[in-house]
Amino acid sequence: QKEVEQDPGPLSVPEGAIVSLNCTYSNSAFQYFMWYRQYSRKGPELLMYTYSSGNKEDGRFTAQVDKSSKYISLFIRDSQPSDSATYLCAMSPTGANNLFFGTGTRLTVIP
Amino acid sequence: SQTIHQWPATLVQPVGSPLSLECTVEGTSNPNLYWYRQAAGRGLQLLFYSVGIGQISSEVPQNLSASRPQDRQFILSSKKLLLSDSGFYLCAWSWGGLLGPPESYTFGSGTRLTVV
Repeated sequence: QKEVEQDPGPLSVPEGAIVSLNCTYSNSAFQYFMWYRQYSRKGPELLMYTYSSGNKEDGRFTAQVDKSSKYISLFIRDSQPSDSATYLCAMSPTGANNLFFGTGTRLTVIP
Repeated sequence: SQTIHQWPATLVQPVGSPLSLECTVEGTSNPNLYWYRQAAGRGLQLLFYSVGIGQISSEVPQNLSASRPQDRQFILSSKKLLLSDSGFYLCAWSWGGLLGPPESYTFGSGTRLTVV
């Protein structure tokens, strides 16, 4: 079993839709949870970061962590064509030197 | 502010040829440095990481090697490329130390390597 599982998609939604991206994990020691956005032929860039459980909101983006279910989510409201990218989840038990990545979900927002 | 540079952006190399990809970081000292390979549908595979000059840890046995000749320089090399070495290679850095904040993890723009 992989440490982090993420549905690779692809996921296509119409502009304005609410998008839900998810990851599950098996290691209960994970404390740090990140979401990266990667445009085609570019490196991933950090989008959201949360520590332990709870929600975090940044504009149209909301990250949720449910440690009891070992499940994290990223919600995108009012999705835009510019949101079309691959979204990777990542998590760590201790810090930057020990990061586990999901395989990424490719999202396309159709105008 | 910190920046990470990775080059070249695209590379096409024949089988059996050598490889050298370079990554440099500016604006910080003693960073942790990482090399990843990203294959379609397989996510990010950590190849090497370094916590200091001359200190290299290999995560996956393979045809590649890494070196860190200077504090903010990380090089990925191969003596003889294989077809299976094709992929998207990413360099990354984070604040130094085992417990550096994971939100400091920053990727370069990547190198698309095609071995023909």
